[in-house]
Amino acid sequence: DAGVTQSPTHLIKTRGQHVTLRCSPISGHKSVSWYQQVLGQGPQFIFQYYEKEERGRGNFPDRFSARQFPNYSSELNVNALLLGDSALYLCASSRKGLAGASGELFFGEGSRLTVL
Amino acid sequence: AQSVTQPDIHITVSEGASLELRCNYSYGATPYLFWYVQSPGQGLQLLLKYFSGDTLVQGIKGFEAEFKRSQSSFNLRKPSVHWSDAAEYFCAVVTGTASKLTFGTGTRLQVTL
Repeated sequence: DAGVTQSPTHLIKTRGQHVTLRCSPISGHKSVSWYQQVLGQGPQFIFQYYEKEERGRGNFPDRFSARQFPNYSSELNVNALLLGDSALYLCASSRKGLAGASGELFFGEGSRLTVL
Repeated sequence: AQSVTQPDIHITVSEGASLELRCNYSYGATPYLFWYVQSPGQGLQLLLKYFSGDTLVQGIKGFEAEFKRSQSSFNLRKPSVHWSDAAEYFCAVVTGTASKLTFGTGTRLQVTL
């Protein structure tokens, strides 16, 4: 079975531009989460979607938005890019929540965004 | 607020030596704890997790971790390190009504031959 797939793998943008990152979860997984990983730090939670509804939002500005489609794939959008948005953006999927024996996040390899 | 601390930013061990990576958490209730590994340019792979029961958890690649409530710790161990274990290791705790992971800052492991 295919794992979590993300596109594009690398991209370069300039300040003020907009970016859309895409994610396809593992088949059967209904929850998608997005994390930002700045160089040298641990991943930071941005959003979680379950059954196409936002279930959690991290401490990120309104320039960051996301959505989940009926096929459970997801997009992360970032407007008015800043230099500080340069990071590895990780998508993760899970069947439902993270608690209990079956709770686990499966991560994709990420989209590396460079803002110049 | 829930948090995870990994005190060691960088650790170097010789191949074949034992390894222990430290993780301390701050959480009011019984935590759900995870260890992930990230190779350069890659996503994160789950090594093991603790949610209840036996406090000694076995994971993949020969790793294990021990949950110690009295010390608020969940340290990762491996008896004999291989050169391929060189990577970044992240400890994480489930927070926010079980909807997200809060990660530590990571420990970079270097293995010398």
